Amino acid sequence: TQLLEQSPQFLSIQEGENLTVYCNSSSVFSSLQWYRQEPGEGPVLLVTVVTGGEVKKLKRLTFQFGDARKDSSLHITAAQPGDTGLYLCAGLRFGNEKLTFGTGTRLTIIP
Amino acid sequence: NAGVMQNPRHLVRRRGQEARLRCSPMKGHSHVYWYRQLPEEGLKFMVYLQKENIIDESGMPKERFSAEFPKEGPSILRIQQVVRGDSAAYFCASSPSKGVGNTIYFGEGSWLTVV
Repeated sequence: TQLLEQSPQFLSIQEGENLTVYCNSSSVFSSLQWYRQEPGEGPVLLVTVVTGGEVKKLKRLTFQFGDARKDSSLHITAAQPGDTGLYLCAGLRFGNEKLTFGTGTRLTIIP
Repeated sequence: NAGVMQNPRHLVRRRGQEARLRCSPMKGHSHVYWYRQLPEEGLKFMVYLQKENIIDESGMPKERFSAEFPKEGPSILRIQQVVRGDSAAYFCASSPSKGVGNTIYFGEGSWLTVV
């Protein structure tokens, strides 16, 4: 059973467009982390969201944690080719230190 | 500020040999985790350790796999008598604490190929 479903699974858009990636679950998480992974490398942490309803902005990236702590979204404004990569959400459940990873979104930005 | 350091980055072993993967956590981090990523699959939790203690090994295969995080030195993931199905990327991660708001950083991985 996959606890965290990401959508879309694949996304290919033109440079300059905006996009949103979703991470959904029926389970409650104490926090959610977003990572980006390049081929042959480890996941690189982008952000951790902790509070239900929290919104965090990192330059052109906006992360939101759902009010019920069951879902999250990543919005990218004016996408650039350097944003290309595999985006992973990962959740920690209360009282548990095991990260559960989402199914991943493979993003391609076309110059 | 060095990140999570793993070595070797790539390791080739013949069936039946042993594989040892090492992980040095980020400075100041006392919590270490190992994850495995099989080809075309997502990352799966294996084990969570603190210094000299295994806290949660619920994701570890029952046989041939072991992990340690000694008082001095790196954490070691050991795979005995490797089989082809062990071929995967093994990622170590570390964090400064645990609980709500815990932030977990990953190393670049060790790619094991069993021939």
